[in-house]
Amino acid sequence: DAKTTQPTSMDCAEGRAANLPCNHSTISGNEYVYWYRQIHSQGPQYIIHGLKNNETNEMASLIITEDRKSSTLILPHATLRDTAVYYCIVRLFSGGYQKVTFGTGTKLQVIP
Amino acid sequence: DVKVTQSSRYLVKRTGEKVFLECVQDMDHENMFWYRQDPGLGLRLIYFSYDVKMKEKGDIPEGYSVSREKKERFSLILESASTNQTSMYLCASSSFSGVSTDTQYFGPGTRLTVL
Repeated sequence: DAKTTQPTSMDCAEGRAANLPCNHSTISGNEYVYWYRQIHSQGPQYIIHGLKNNETNEMASLIITEDRKSSTLILPHATLRDTAVYYCIVRLFSGGYQKVTFGTGTKLQVIP
Repeated sequence: DVKVTQSSRYLVKRTGEKVFLECVQDMDHENMFWYRQDPGLGLRLIYFSYDVKMKEKGDIPEGYSVSREKKERFSLILESASTNQTSMYLCASSSFSGVSTDTQYFGPGTRLTVL
C-alpha cells in the first residue's frame, strides 16, 4: 500500500468544519483512499472511502485532488464527539484478503 | 446498520489460562479478522478467515488459534495466556468484493490484561 502522511494533531472549534489533510503522493491508479477514526479505547470506525471522485455520506465528505496525490476529509460541523484519531490509508484489494494498516493518524481535538 | 460485536470490553486473566474472545457480525460477511493494537506498533493482523472453517495466519499468529464454525462468529483463542498478550484485541469483518476494494468494519475492541 502507498504510504500516507498526516499532521500529528489539529484543533477545531465546535460547530466549525474540520478539514483533515492527507498526502499520498505515491498512490497508484487503482488504489482507494480510506478514512477511519478511533475514539479513545474504542474500535476503529469506518468513515468514508473514494477512488477519484469526491464522496459524501452522512458522516463526512472526502475531497481528492485531481492528481490524487492528496485528499481532505471534511467534517462539516464538528462536535465534541468527533474528538478522535483520524487515519488516512490507501488500499488496494487484489483478491483474497488485505489487512488494514494504520499509520500514526491525526489526533483531532474539538474544542468547546 | 453495520454491526460487529465482541463478547467483552474488558477482560482480566491470569498467566497460563485459556482465553476465548468471541466476535459476531450480523452483515453476512465472508471475511473476518482478528487484530491486536498496541501503542507504537499500530494494528497487527493475527488471523483471518474467508469462509466457514477456513482460516489463514496473519502476521503474528504465534500463541493464538481461531475457530469459525458459523459464518457470523469468529473466535480467537489464547491457548495459554502470557503477559505479553496484554493488548487491545479488535475484530473486523468485510464482504468479499472480488473487485477492487473491501471495507472492513471493526468491533468495539476487547482490552485484555494478563496478570
